[in-house]
Amino acid sequence: QKEVEQNSGPLSVPEGAIASLNCTYSDRVSQSFFWYRQYSGKSPELIMSIYSNGDKEDGRFTAQLNKASQYVSLLIRDSQPSDSATYLCAVNSAGGTSYGKLTFGQGTILTVHP
Amino acid sequence: DADVTQTPRNRITKTGKRIMLECSQTKGHDRMYWYRQDPGLGLRLIYYSFDVKDINKGEISDGYSVSRQAQAKFSLSLESAIPNQTALYFCATRDRGNTGELFFGEGSRLTVL
Repeated sequence: QKEVEQNSGPLSVPEGAIASLNCTYSDRVSQSFFWYRQYSGKSPELIMSIYSNGDKEDGRFTAQLNKASQYVSLLIRDSQPSDSATYLCAVNSAGGTSYGKLTFGQGTILTVHP
Repeated sequence: DADVTQTPRNRITKTGKRIMLECSQTKGHDRMYWYRQDPGLGLRLIYYSFDVKDINKGEISDGYSVSRQAQAKFSLSLESAIPNQTALYFCATRDRGNTGELFFGEGSRLTVL
């Protein structure tokens, strides 16, 4: 089982719709969770971080975390063509020999069409 | 100037050659990371370092070695490059603790023929 898995893509949504990106992780003691956005040919950039169960909203982005289910998601409301990118879920290991290790999922390609 | 600088940005080499990718940062962060990116596989961790004397293997360290020459410098070496090491390599830095974000360099595209 991969440590961090994202829903298979690519994902295509119309402009103005809600895009839903999902991620599961295997390490139960993980404590920090991140969503990065990567435009083609560019470096990843952080768009959301979440550390406790529940929802965290920032503008059109909402991150949701459920530690019991080992699940983290990202919702993008009112999707815009400029949101078209690869979205990467990252999980920080908290204990033992993996302390400080930041593991990424395989990424989900999102396309928002006009 | 970029906070995290990678050199070279692009490199084409032949099988069996030794290659070094260099990373330097001006953010003053303790932690530095090397990842490789392949289509459909996301970012996979090669090595990470918490300080000059603390270096840890990641998911895919075989065939790679690293050197943390100073707090600001972290180099990745391929002792004998092979074609399946053709990829985009990213260096990243992070402040102490587990809540901080990674700051990435612009990437080094390596092609091994």
